[in-house]
Amino acid sequence: GAVVSQHPSWVICKSGTSVKIECRSLDFQATTMFWYRQFPKQSLMLMATSNEGSKATYEQGVEKDKFLINHASLTLSTLTVTSAHPEDSSFYICSARRGEVSPLHFGNGTRLTVT
Amino acid sequence: GQNIDQPTEMTATEGAIVQINCTYQTSGFNGLFWYQQHAGEAPTFLSYNVLDGLEEKGRFSSFLSRSKGYSYLLLKELQMKDSASYLCAVSDSNYQLIWGAGTKLIIKP
Repeated sequence: GAVVSQHPSWVICKSGTSVKIECRSLDFQATTMFWYRQFPKQSLMLMATSNEGSKATYEQGVEKDKFLINHASLTLSTLTVTSAHPEDSSFYICSARRGEVSPLHFGNGTRLTVT
Repeated sequence: GQNIDQPTEMTATEGAIVQINCTYQTSGFNGLFWYQQHAGEAPTFLSYNVLDGLEEKGRFSSFLSRSKGYSYLLLKELQMKDSASYLCAVSDSNYQLIWGAGTKLIIKP
């Protein structure tokens, strides 16, 4: 159990366009989902914590108007990268957990390339 | 501040045993997690320790000492596919995960 599905796996878009990434918990309900970003050979960086039915909590330095997060249900959270630029090219990974003391389970990640 | 320390890189031989250490200083403690991350892939959950002692799961074991703020991940009978980064993460008093930078493990034949 505890499967997290993330879609798409990779996407190439032109500068100035928006990209939406979906994250679904397939076999459990996740009151909280987390969005991470990882640049090559660097550590995971938490971008935001997404709570179902409420606004996301963004980490310092992450622009909430650029990275729109919606947690519409207990099994779905979306991240929209608006007006993407080449520097937004990165590996975006979502994760979810059943409860506070449960482990995080990660989606397979989305590799975004902005040209 | 909150801090997790683990070695940047380790090298071991196929078939051998390797121990990856993790020390932490966090505001509160609600458990320690180990994850494996292969290059270009998302992390996968390996183990969870919340009480002192050793948790064994196949070739992988994880140990925790809360009084020392210390954990280790022990990998036995190393295989080439074990080449990956190993991430230590601590859940703090607010159940927020604090991540270490990861240990890159290189397995040589």
